[in-house]
Order: sequence, then structure tokens, then C-alpha cells
Amino acid sequence: DAGVIQSPRHEVTEMGQEVTLRCKPISGHDYLFWYRQTMMRGLELLIYFNNNVPIDDSGMPEDRFSAKMPNASFSTLKIQPSEPRDSAVYFCASSFAGGYGYTFGSGTRLTVV
Amino acid sequence: GDSVTQMEGPVTLSEEAFLTINCTYTATGYPSLFWYVQYPGEGLQLLLKATKADDKGSNKGFEATYRKETTSFHLEKGSVQVSDSAVYFCALSQQGNNRLAFGKGNQVVVIP
Repeated sequence: DAGVIQSPRHEVTEMGQEVTLRCKPISGHDYLFWYRQTMMRGLELLIYFNNNVPIDDSGMPEDRFSAKMPNASFSTLKIQPSEPRDSAVYFCASSFAGGYGYTFGSGTRLTVV
Repeated sequence: GDSVTQMEGPVTLSEEAFLTINCTYTATGYPSLFWYVQYPGEGLQLLLKATKADDKGSNKGFEATYRKETTSFHLEKGSVQVSDSAVYFCALSQQGNNRLAFGKGNQVVVIP
């Protein structure tokens, strides 16, 4: 398996623009997680899905952030409009049920200027 | 709620030195415990895990023992290499719950 695949690896955008981050989880994994990592706040869980259904989105910072999982092999995280404080590395992770740990993607480094 | 606490600050040590990174947790019941490693520019990778008290997880020369009595899961390696320079995260998950609670991570720098 190719692992969790995220795209793009790097994204530079101007303030106010829409940004879409993409994730392909490992085939057969039931859970998908979106995290944000910054120096100041460390790793933050934004939202997670079970069988394509959002379970907990309490970590989503505000209405500018939205996430979808239209099928078992694809998820998006959208920021509209983007702001400089959204600059961070965004990770997607997936896992089987049963608490065996996650497999993380390589992340998308977002810079909003 | 469930939480994980890691020692403050980066760890800098010389090659072949002994490494310990402390991790304690607060949780009800019997959580599973994990150590993840993040190399520069990469995502987190599962390093080792333990699912019940007194279990020892091990991988790549790293070890950690699940200590229920002290609610700890300290990471150790007997002789570090420059290639072990990375950020190390301790984490836990509850039985039947796939959600991981992460510690803040520790930067480890190994000097030749």
C-alpha cells in the first residue's frame, strides 16, 4: 500500500483565497483524521470521520474551515477565505477500528501571505 | 478527560548516549499507549505501542514499558545515533475509541 497520500505537499496562497487540501486514506481503514501542526499550538485534531461520516468537528477553528469525505478513498479540507494565521502543516491520518494507532500522511505545508 | 504529559523542552545529547523521554498519562481504565516519531519534513510514524499493563513495546532499539502503577510510558534507547534526531510524541487511546490524545512532543537532537 502507498500509505496515506496528501496533496499538495506545499501550498502558498494569498489571504482571502480558497484553499483545498486533499487526502487519500489507506484502503480499508475505517477512520480518517485531520490535524493541524504549528510551533505554538503543537498538534491539534480538527475533525475525524468514521465510515465517511463526520464524528467530531469540535476542533475546527471556525466556519471558514470545512471538511468532507464523499467516499472511503477521498477527503478534503477547505479553508475559505484563508488568513495568515492558518499557516501551518496539515496532516491527514487513517486507521482501522480498534485502537491500533494511526498512519499519517506526509502533510501539506500551507503558507498564507 | 484523557491526557498525556511529556517532559518540557528539547533534548540534546551526544551520539551513543542513553536517551530517556518521560511520558505520564491521565486516563480512566486501561488505555493503549503509543510513541510516534516525526523526522524533519515528514508525518508522524508509529514507533512502538503497548496495549496492557507491563507490556513492553520495542522497535529500532527503542523501548517503553507500560507502567500502570506510575501511569507512565517512558521511552528509552541505550545508544542513540545522529539519525535518531527527530520529534517524539507520546499518545494514548481508550479501548473501543480510535481517538488518540497526543503529548506536546519532544525535540531530540543527537550531536556527532
